[in-house]
Amino acid sequence: EAQVTQNPRYLITVTGKKLTVTCSQNMNHEYMSWYRQDPGLGLRQIYYSMNVEVTDKGDVPEGYKVSRKEKRNFPLILESPSPNQTSLYFCASSPTRGNQPQHFGDGTRLSIL
Amino acid sequence: GENVEQHPSTLSVQEGDSAVIKCTYSDSASNYFPWYKQELGKRPQLIIDIRSNVGEKKDQRIAVTLNKTAKHFSLHITETQPEDSAVYFCAARGGATNKLIFGTGTLLAVQP
Repeated sequence: EAQVTQNPRYLITVTGKKLTVTCSQNMNHEYMSWYRQDPGLGLRQIYYSMNVEVTDKGDVPEGYKVSRKEKRNFPLILESPSPNQTSLYFCASSPTRGNQPQHFGDGTRLSIL
Repeated sequence: GENVEQHPSTLSVQEGDSAVIKCTYSDSASNYFPWYKQELGKRPQLIIDIRSNVGEKKDQRIAVTLNKTAKHFSLHITETQPEDSAVYFCAARGGATNKLIFGTGTLLAVQP
């Protein structure tokens, strides 16, 4: 089954404790992206990757890091989480060529205390 | 910068009525316009999309129209049903980055 898998789905942690949210897709998509969703603000892009070893900042990259060492994986890293990073996070992927829709993972709800 | 404005933020209709959600984009190079439906606690799911070489597209009760001159596109849902209740997001993509810019969402409530 074609899918984007995020882990964990839920996480409550404390300020300053490094965490990683994993994202994996099995559709051989070149493009992957991370969004955060906050009430009234819609989906805002954090980072994206056009292909392996190619990443770039989205609209709200501060406090986040990503890596793309393999085509299928695109982890989101919070080196020193802060309460303003409490949010619902979505990973998405799509082919690069042509205008194709993005497929979203099921989301990760992060609470930073 | 690139921006997508979406209106209204909330919309309440009676079952069987039509619902219209409107979006305006700023980047004239945008050439792909998807619409996503997000049910409570779920991920956004594509319901319909339109490309810039097409003015209108229909899929059963859902239609999308695009006016490139005005940089405006709309979602039309006819004969609404309670299961249409959700948050709907429009988005626009253009240029070489595949970057999708999302609107802020419309909470649609269909009253039985």
